[in-house]
Amino acid sequence: EVQLVESGGGLVQPGGSLRLSCAASGFNFPIYSMNWVRQAPGKGLEWVSYITGNLGTIYYADSLKGRFTISRDNAKNSLYLQMNSLRVEDTAVYYCVRSVQFGFDTWGQGTMVTVSS
Amino acid sequence: QSVLTQPPSASGSPGQSVTISCTGTSSDVGGYNYVSWYQQHPGKAPRLMIYEVNKRPSGVPDRFSGSKSGNTASLTVSGLQAEDEADYYCNSYTGGNNLVFGGGTKLTVL
Repeated sequence: EVQLVESGGGLVQPGGSLRLSCAASGFNFPIYSMNWVRQAPGKGLEWVSYITGNLGTIYYADSLKGRFTISRDNAKNSLYLQMNSLRVEDTAVYYCVRSVQFGFDTWGQGTMVTVSS
Repeated sequence: QSVLTQPPSASGSPGQSVTISCTGTSSDVGGYNYVSWYQQHPGKAPRLMIYEVNKRPSGVPDRFSGSKSGNTASLTVSGLQAEDEADYYCNSYTGGNNLVFGGGTKLTVL
């Protein structure tokens, strides 16, 4: 079964950092592009970042202004999102998502990140 | 970063057809055939319904179809069923190495 399981969410103060992880199983992880997509409470979906299987290409949403860093460890079948200088508006459920030709075909259950003092 | 425009709501009776639009620009929807659609039920993760404008992943009923004309993409749900009631989001690749979602449409089955 194809599965994505996120972890690492929680409560953090404004200005703090958090590292999200995503464990992939059931498919050949190294050949797939991966993404992070977030959804603020009661709001719509927002794409965050994209990374190709061979790490050759990385994209970020312009709104992040260099605060977030996506990475992956193909040997561990894992995807990561390092989030720095967190703001209240970063509060959201963060989804780990597999993509094929820019279609997001497999989603994790999400991990909640709350930025609050 | 562009935002794709969707109507906030749509509705139809069981058995009817409903079409949800997604309007962008020549830099996103109009410029690439990388438009996709997602269904999200409350409290659940989104589900891919259409990719590359009009392709259906395995397991998605053929009642769901996608199309594009110029800068506007559309999702049509035919033969509406109660379980189709959900939020629907479009997404497109943009020329600026970004991916952008629409604001979402709440589909109500009357």
